[in-house]
Amino acid sequence: EPEVTQTPSHQVTQMGQEVILRCVPISNHLYFYWYRQILGQKVEFLVSFYNNEISEKSEIFDDQFSVERPDGSNFTLKIRSTKLEDSAMYFCASSGLAIEQFFGPGTRLTVL
Amino acid sequence: GQQLNQSPQSMFIQEGEDVSMNCTSSSIFNTWLWYKQDPGEGPVLLIALYKAGELTSNGRLTAQFGITRKDSFLNISASIPSDVGIYFCAGQRAGAGSYQLTFGKGTKLSVIP
Repeated sequence: EPEVTQTPSHQVTQMGQEVILRCVPISNHLYFYWYRQILGQKVEFLVSFYNNEISEKSEIFDDQFSVERPDGSNFTLKIRSTKLEDSAMYFCASSGLAIEQFFGPGTRLTVL
Repeated sequence: GQQLNQSPQSMFIQEGEDVSMNCTSSSIFNTWLWYKQDPGEGPVLLIALYKAGELTSNGRLTAQFGITRKDSFLNISASIPSDVGIYFCAGQRAGAGSYQLTFGKGTKLSVIP
């Protein structure tokens, strides 16, 4: 069964450093998303991406964040200058028709 | 922003018992989805509901989309140990051009063998 994959599974970085989280969505899906989950809390929407542009973003997704689909398979989330409060699980999701979203296993980001 | 109130926060049940959890919102959603999350993993889609009043089953799971479009419940019948995990409801206002999911805070289910 096709699935969303994410790399790395765990990323440790120093405050102020840039990180890039990578995702390979399900191959025939057209909508892509990033969510985050701070430890013990609910999953929060960051951004959605369709037709090579951002279609929606939350107030969490400020100028430090960017997304890109550099080729036909990868979808990336970049955090330009990480802060301690960026430590969280980051989930990529994809959907075919924008309703049923399928999540990847997540990347645990730890900012020291 | 939109808030989903999910209850109960946690529950301990005996294996074989039925389980019920629900989500309510002050806002209308056009789609309700239920996910299960195991520790250290991503949410796994269990059931999606598309219209008010809809009742949908997936094996031992049954979910309903409330008539007011502001609530949904999930039932699990005859629970087994592998049902352990955190269950999240999520609402989507797809008809308004917004595809983001708004998640509840989760119901942590523990099953005692």
